Amino acid sequence: DGGITQSPKYLFRKEGQNVTLSCEQNLNHDAMYWYRQDPGQGLRLIYYSQIVNDFQKGDIAEGYSVSREKKESFPLTVTSAQKNPTAFYLCASSMQLAGVLDEQFFGPGTRLTVL
Amino acid sequence: GENVEQHPSTLSVQEGDSAVIKCTYSDSASNYFPWYKQELGKRPQLIIDIRSNVGEKKDQRIAVTLNKTAKHFSLHITETQPEDSAVYFCAASTAGDSSYKLIFGSGTRLLVRP
Repeated sequence: DGGITQSPKYLFRKEGQNVTLSCEQNLNHDAMYWYRQDPGQGLRLIYYSQIVNDFQKGDIAEGYSVSREKKESFPLTVTSAQKNPTAFYLCASSMQLAGVLDEQFFGPGTRLTVL
Repeated sequence: GENVEQHPSTLSVQEGDSAVIKCTYSDSASNYFPWYKQELGKRPQLIIDIRSNVGEKKDQRIAVTLNKTAKHFSLHITETQPEDSAVYFCAASTAGDSSYKLIFGSGTRLLVRP
């Protein structure tokens, strides 16, 4: 279903804990993205990466960290510094050639709840 | 920073009527404008997109128009059906630090009444 997967589907975290959300794609896409979605709101960009071993901060990067060691994988760590992490997290990937964006394919999402 | 504004936030139409959702963008260099549909609890899925060298694009009951001068683009759904009920997001491309990303509108919740 689009070749992009996220795990887990639901995640519960205690305050003060770091958690890592997984995102894997087999579409051979160069670019990968992490978005946060809060109820009734749009998608806000956390981090994005266009090539392996390189990534850029999005609009709401504080309290989050990422890595891009492999083309297929772009894990997101929600750290204890993120004050209000309860949200729906969506990962996406796309082709990107010479600065021309293409369709972003989304994963099924991870719903994170802080207890 | 760059932004995308989307209106209305909610839209209720009778089955068979048309629905129009409008977006404005701020970055004059934006050149890619996708529209996504998200059903409750599901992932967003692309329904149509348009590039800046085209003024209009149509796919069956769905069409998108782009006015680069005014920095407006709109989604038009004709002959609406109950299964069109969902949240719709517009987006516009923008250049960051030599990299490219999408900025999303805040979404429109469309309800099609049978």
